[in-house]
Amino acid sequence: GNSVTQMEGPVTLSEEAFLTINCTYTATGYPSLFWYVQYPGEGLQLLLKATKADDKGSNKGFEATYRKETTSFHLEKGSVQVSDSAVYFCALSDRLSGGYNKLIFGAGTRLAVHP
Amino acid sequence: DSGVTQTPKHLITATGQRVTLRCSPRSGDLSVYWYQQSLDQGLQFLIQYYNGEERAKGNILERFSAQQFPDLHSELNLSSLELGDSALYFCASSVGGDPTDTQYFGPGTRLTVL
Repeated sequence: GNSVTQMEGPVTLSEEAFLTINCTYTATGYPSLFWYVQYPGEGLQLLLKATKADDKGSNKGFEATYRKETTSFHLEKGSVQVSDSAVYFCALSDRLSGGYNKLIFGAGTRLAVHP
Repeated sequence: DSGVTQTPKHLITATGQRVTLRCSPRSGDLSVYWYQQSLDQGLQFLIQYYNGEERAKGNILERFSAQQFPDLHSELNLSSLELGDSALYFCASSVGGDPTDTQYFGPGTRLTVL
């Protein structure tokens, strides 16, 4: 079945460092891809999404490009801040029979940014 | 604030008991999803409703059931609770059920079974 694999954490960076969190997927068809972020004690927030190949999602300085040839959707940010410390989840939407969808999540990657 | 509300925020109960978790979707959203987040299983899809009808089931146990009411709020019922049911339960909503639709998540209900 469809699945998402993302790099294990924790990822520890200094403020202003460059961030990459790798995400690869296995899917039949053409899923939509998402990055969600979960801050401590809170629910999941959509960070960005891409719905077709070569689309780039971006938000709050984060970017990810939907690469069908490498089945990847890596998350990047040029300069992280302490406030970016959170758990990041890569997800794909899986079209179920009847045309409805569910999200399949990766295991999550914890990011810790130090001053 | 996603616009999705969940109550209660925390729930502590004993094994064998039954609890009900409640979710109100964003205004205008017709689809409601339930997910379970646990340390060993990660985030798992449980069930989806669309405009009052069940549309899809994931890894939902037979002891669990859900429904979506005419006002579109949803309830997840967990019965004969076991220690392993302790987890964060999230509700999400989206406008429709298309894979391109963004799902907006509520803050979750933390269930502790003692």
